[in-house]
Amino acid sequence: GIQVEQSPPDLILQEGANSTLRCNFSDSVNNLQWFHQNPWGQLINLFYIPSGTKQNGRLSATTVATERYSLLYISSSQTTDSGVYFCAAHTGGGNKLTFGTGTQLKVEL
Amino acid sequence: DSGVTQTPKHLITATGQRVTLRCSPRSGDLSVYWYQQSLDQGLQFLIQYYNGEERAKGNILERFSAQQFPDLHSELNLSSLELGDSALYFCASSAGGRGNTEAFFGQGTRLTVV
Repeated sequence: GIQVEQSPPDLILQEGANSTLRCNFSDSVNNLQWFHQNPWGQLINLFYIPSGTKQNGRLSATTVATERYSLLYISSSQTTDSGVYFCAAHTGGGNKLTFGTGTQLKVEL
Repeated sequence: DSGVTQTPKHLITATGQRVTLRCSPRSGDLSVYWYQQSLDQGLQFLIQYYNGEERAKGNILERFSAQQFPDLHSELNLSSLELGDSALYFCASSAGGRGNTEAFFGQGTRLTVV
């Protein structure tokens, strides 16, 4: 099945800093999603982005499907951005989303 | 709020017992997926139902079973529970049945087996 790798595994930022999280996947995808898991365990949808670029406030994402990677940009980070960021991909060979191992982000004052 | 409702939020039970987790999908979504998140295995796909029929199966143990009812809500039954079954169980729903439409996740049920 498809392999999904995320980097970096851990990230510590000062409030106000910017960051880029990366997701590599091993096969062509027809679904690529980014999620934020907050400290309470909730998985919050950030982007549905099998290709192209999207922006939502301080967050944006880009998927380059031909090169099999996606990037999540966080600008002007806030302490509420802390948590784990997952990307998940679906390829045509099955119905499930395959999750990466996540990037643990901590934003400090 | 994703629109996917899971109950209960927390569950503590003893080894050997059986529990039922419930999920109501977003209005209009026909697919329901169950995932398990444990510390050592990450987020793992268990099973998918689409419009009442089992559509795909992942790493689901034989002690676990699921079903989707005519009103599209789903239940995940976990029996003969072991300590290792302690995890966060998520339900997700999507409009389509092939995994290529956006999936939305519920708040999860945190199961603790003691």
